[in-house]
Order: sequence, then structure tokens, then C-alpha cells
Amino acid sequence: NAGVTQTPKFRVLKTGQSMTLLCAQDMNHEYMYWYRQDPGMGLRLIHYSVGEGTTAKGEVPDGYNVSRLKKQNFLLGLESAAPSQTSVYFCASSNRDRAYEQYFGPGTRLTVT
Amino acid sequence: RKEVEQDPGPFNVPEGATVAFNCTYSNSASQSFFWYRQDCRKEPKLLMSVYSSGNEDGRFTAQLNRASQYISLLIRDSKLSDSATYLCVVRAQGGKLIFGQGTELSVKP
Repeated sequence: NAGVTQTPKFRVLKTGQSMTLLCAQDMNHEYMYWYRQDPGMGLRLIHYSVGEGTTAKGEVPDGYNVSRLKKQNFLLGLESAAPSQTSVYFCASSNRDRAYEQYFGPGTRLTVT
Repeated sequence: RKEVEQDPGPFNVPEGATVAFNCTYSNSASQSFFWYRQDCRKEPKLLMSVYSSGNEDGRFTAQLNRASQYISLLIRDSKLSDSATYLCVVRAQGGKLIFGQGTELSVKP
């Protein structure tokens, strides 16, 4: 049982480049989330999804887009990367009935130069 | 003011010590409360929920004071394996989780 997986684990981008981070979960969870974690800031919610085909903005959505075409996958896109997007990105999923218990992926460490 | 505030630490304690972490939250309408644990460069994991009456899970005791908007986590008889960052988490109206910045604990032999 893999739980939540994220691809890639590390990436270095130049300013202005684009990329997509992939999150996959095999627990049949309805809810999925993308967070970023920066030193001294804690985890901040970027976007989330409460079901296939639905997405919503979180606390810090600017500069990111998401899609949830399949229940098990949640994609995070950066259209034009900026140095301020250097961060560790975590994906998480949860069951609708226990939404407070989120299962996190191992994270993607992104550096934008 | 941050919605959830924690002392960032680090707390450096010897094995066997008792250590307490505090957390305050700003939104009085917050619905539920949790502690997550995050090991160095790893993903966060749920440690325990926090109930109004206080609750224990082995060496861990969590307390909530809604009037003061204050949450605490007490760890007794610290082990080396308790070294981690402890995240205070509040569930806001609408169901989203708000994470504190975390308190780092280092337990030394």
C-alpha cells in the first residue's frame, strides 16, 4: 500500500520555466490538498479538492493551478516559476468523514533560480 | 497575527525529561484541534486529537482551553525517538486545517 506518492522528489527550475507536480493516492480518499512549507511559516494551503473534477483555492493560490481529473490524482502546476516559489511542496489526502486526519506524501523540494 | 502560533524552540532536553509545548489560536470559532508530528525533512503525521476534557495517549497528554484559546502537549519520560517538530493544528470553519509553524524538540542521551 503506497499511500500518497509525489513526483518528482527534487527539481531545480529557472525563473519563468513551468512544471507540473504529480500527487497520487491509493486510499480512495475524496479530499486532496496541496501545501507549501517554508521556514518559520508552517504549512500553507495552496489549493484543495473535495472530489473528482472539483478544485478550490486555499490560502496562497497565486501563481499555481491545479487539476483533479481522476479521483486518485491531484496535479499542481506552476506556469511561470518565480524564486518566491522555492519551497517544499506537500500533497495530502483525507477521507471525507475524517478530514482532519490528512495523509501526506513525502514532499517535493523545488528550487527556482 | 498568525492564526496559530507556537514557540519555535528548539527545546533541548535530556532523555527522561518532561517537556510541554504551548500553542495559541486566534479564531474563537475554530472547531477542533490536533497535534501532528514531523520528523526532519519528512512528511507530517497525525499524533493525536485534542479534546476539551483533555486526553492522554501513553506518554502524551493534550489539553485545550477554549476560553484562553490555548492548546498544550505534554510529553513525559522523553525518548530519543521523540525528537521531531510538533505541529499545532486547528480546524477552521469550512473544514480546512491551519498549521502552526511547529516547535522543534531535540532529546539528548
